[in-house]
Amino acid sequence: DAGVIQSPRHEVTEMGQEVTLRCKPISGHDYLFWYRQTMMRGLELLIYFNNNVPIDDSGMPEDRFSAKMPNASFSTLKIQPSEPRDSAVYFCASSSGGEQYFGPGTRLTVT
Amino acid sequence: DQQVKQNSPSLSVQEGRISILNCDYTNSMFDYFLWYKKYPAEGPTFLISISSIKDKNEDGRFTVFLNKSAKHLSLHIVPSQPGDSAVYFCAADTGNQFYFGTGTSLTVIP
Repeated sequence: DAGVIQSPRHEVTEMGQEVTLRCKPISGHDYLFWYRQTMMRGLELLIYFNNNVPIDDSGMPEDRFSAKMPNASFSTLKIQPSEPRDSAVYFCASSSGGEQYFGPGTRLTVT
Repeated sequence: DQQVKQNSPSLSVQEGRISILNCDYTNSMFDYFLWYKKYPAEGPTFLISISSIKDKNEDGRFTVFLNKSAKHLSLHIVPSQPGDSAVYFCAADTGNQFYFGTGTSLTVIP
């Protein structure tokens, strides 16, 4: 298995633009997580899905953030409109319970 | 509200010595604890875990200790190797809630 795949690896965008981050989880995993890593707060859980259904989105910072999982092999995290304070590394992870397997992350820079 | 805390942002250890990374938590509902290791420009990778019904779990050079009364866990690496230099994240799980600490950057000096 190729592991969790995220795209793009790097994204630079201007304030106000829409940003879409993509994730393909490991086949057979029924949990999918989106995290944001910052120096101040470490790894913050934004949202997680179980069997494609959002279970806990309490970590989503505000309405500008949205996430979808239309099927078991694909998820998106969208920021609209983006702001400079959204600059961070965003990780997707999947699991079948227990330990999570992380993707390589998307480094987002909003100027 | 930081439910999982790693109060030491960094740690330096000589090669061959023991590295001890600490983690404190506040939620008594956590029943599963994990340590992840992260190299630059990569995602975290799972290292070792412990269930709340245990107080120790060992895997090669890595041992995790859990003290439920103190709400404290620690990761021991012995002997430490230069390849262990990375950021280590503590994580806790209630089954439907997941929290990570802010990480401790370990440097093992050759």
